[in-house]
Amino acid sequence: SQQGEEDPQALSIQEGENATMNCSYKTSINNLQWYRQNSGRGLVHLILIRSNEREKHSGRLRVTLDTSKKSSSLLITASRAADTASYFCATGSAGTASKLTFGTGTRLQVTL
Amino acid sequence: DVKVTQSSRYLVKRTGEKVFLECVQDMDHENMFWYRQDPGLGLRLIYFSYDVKMKEKGDIPEGYSVSREKKERFSLILESASTNQTSMYLCASSRGGETQYFGPGTRLLVL
Repeated sequence: SQQGEEDPQALSIQEGENATMNCSYKTSINNLQWYRQNSGRGLVHLILIRSNEREKHSGRLRVTLDTSKKSSSLLITASRAADTASYFCATGSAGTASKLTFGTGTRLQVTL
Repeated sequence: DVKVTQSSRYLVKRTGEKVFLECVQDMDHENMFWYRQDPGLGLRLIYFSYDVKMKEKGDIPEGYSVSREKKERFSLILESASTNQTSMYLCASSRGGETQYFGPGTRLLVL
């Protein structure tokens, strides 16, 4: 079952612009994570935000979480061509310990 | 650095063959996972394991089985491969319930 749904499905921007991706989910969560996947490769963890946090930063990444709306956003500032990848949100739910449920992803294309 | 390795990057098998996909992690993680990834469907959990010899079904376990005889190794088995199992298979491991570390993936083609 898909817990997270990302929006948009695809995003194309120019280098230097900011990219914003959104994730909505359905059930209560312990944490929400964002992962990145370069074409044909495995996923790489970017950032984790817990259910009692509202915002978190890591370098050029900013994640927000609104548990009342069951949504999160990932902002990449000053994007670079190397940021071209697919981005997935994943939710860790209360009581299920180790499992994550992934969304369908946003494909980001950053052009020069 | 955590390293998760998968036995093959690309694999071509015939319908009906028994297929083994192996995953090894070097960070003593107790949790290991197998996902399949298909266009438009994201990652779907097939099976996971939280300890040696322990396993739990994920969202799409049909047609698959798993084995975890040692803590560092988690195998996915396709008992009788079918064309609808053509996919990208991703293995991951974690400690606790948080960050998962992924292998590079195995792209399986079943003819």
